[in-house]
Amino acid sequence: SQKIEQNSEALNIQEGKTATLTCNYTNYSPAYLQWYRQDPGRGPVFLLLIRENEKEKRKERLKVTFDTTLKQSLFHITASQPADSATYLCALEVGAAGNKLTFGGGTRVLVKP
Amino acid sequence: EAGVTQFPSHSVIEKGQTVTLRCDPISGHDNLYWYRRVMGKEIKFLLHFVKESKQDESGMPNNRFLAERTGGTYSTLKVQPAELEDSGVYFCASSQGSRQYFGPGTRLTVT
Repeated sequence: SQKIEQNSEALNIQEGKTATLTCNYTNYSPAYLQWYRQDPGRGPVFLLLIRENEKEKRKERLKVTFDTTLKQSLFHITASQPADSATYLCALEVGAAGNKLTFGGGTRVLVKP
Repeated sequence: EAGVTQFPSHSVIEKGQTVTLRCDPISGHDNLYWYRRVMGKEIKFLLHFVKESKQDESGMPNNRFLAERTGGTYSTLKVQPAELEDSGVYFCASSQGSRQYFGPGTRLTVT
């Protein structure tokens, strides 16, 4: 069966350290993998997209890697700040751009000052 | 630029009643999506409009759910009659490509 797994336990991290989140999937062949941030009471907010033929993508303090052989994406927040505390969701998009997203359960990150 | 808006933000109804949720996408976005998150579970896809046409409704749970998108602009999602298991947060999103812009969600509670 198809599955997307993210660390279900919250990630507690000290300010200034790097947070690393994992997204593993089975029985999918995604064309795109996206990462979203969600704060309580709000909708998900897009952070980064990586295509199946890309290995790594960066945006400011964020870095995403995508390994289609391992069927895994890693999401890194470097020099973490308390404002980075949120739930981070990975989402797969199969087929053409604009198709539906299939989400993982999300990982809650808490950055302590 | 205005974002995706949803109305109402909260709705509490009794089992058997009808509720209609509304979504206004970002102007000019052809793609409009409905998703739902029930307690403790991941966000799940319900359906996808391209303009006024249903592109993919594979996630609609049953025929108590009816979605429309009049003239390719705003969309409504009607639940009739509502059941207890319909409780959750309903998100709408719009896009012109892969990146989706989400609304704040409507929290539906069926008692």
